[in-house]
Amino acid sequence: AQSVTQPDIHITVSEGASLELRCNYSYGATPYLFWYVQSPGQGLQLLLKYFSGDTLVQGIKGFEAEFKRSQSSFNLRKPSVHWSDAAEYFCAVGAFSNQFYFGTGTSLTVIP
Amino acid sequence: DTEVTQTPKHLVMGMTNKKSLKCEQHMGHRAMYWYKQKAKKPPELMFVYSYEKLSINESVPSRFSPECPNSSLLNLHLHALQPEDSALYLCASSHSAGELFFGEGSRLTVL
Repeated sequence: AQSVTQPDIHITVSEGASLELRCNYSYGATPYLFWYVQSPGQGLQLLLKYFSGDTLVQGIKGFEAEFKRSQSSFNLRKPSVHWSDAAEYFCAVGAFSNQFYFGTGTSLTVIP
Repeated sequence: DTEVTQTPKHLVMGMTNKKSLKCEQHMGHRAMYWYKQKAKKPPELMFVYSYEKLSINESVPSRFSPECPNSSLLNLHLHALQPEDSALYLCASSHSAGELFFGEGSRLTVL
């Protein structure tokens, strides 16, 4: 069965520090992978996506993610976090027939 | 135009009311979705329309009734809701095998 795991429910980092959010997936074929960000009371905004090709993908707002097939992971990284990055982050897998599977989310707090 | 527009942004209704949520996109996407989201939780899929036909219904109670009048519009009709139905309702659209584009959501409160 398809599933997405985000092991970290909540992460706190200092402004300017580096960030890594973890995502592991279970899917029978090569997945389409996504990271979304959601600010309070807002919809979900796509940060980046992986369909195929280069396993290191660049996204908006200085984020990047690396697809590692051997580890079934798609971790999100940012070298220097800004206070405005505080939000909820969701990893997702896209499958056939318009099916998407979301992780439970990681809440990011940024301290000055 | 890469937007999904949802109206209203906020809605308060009693348990006997009938109301509707509306969603519109002009990206030419042929798949449209309704998700329900509770605070600090991931979106939960409710319905998917593909080429204007209902393709997925995730066992949603009949007090929620979706409608897709055309390829750009998606409605969610609400009737006799319960307080536990209070949530953020998100509309999304996608190309086939593409990413989801979300609207800002409609915040629903059922009294």
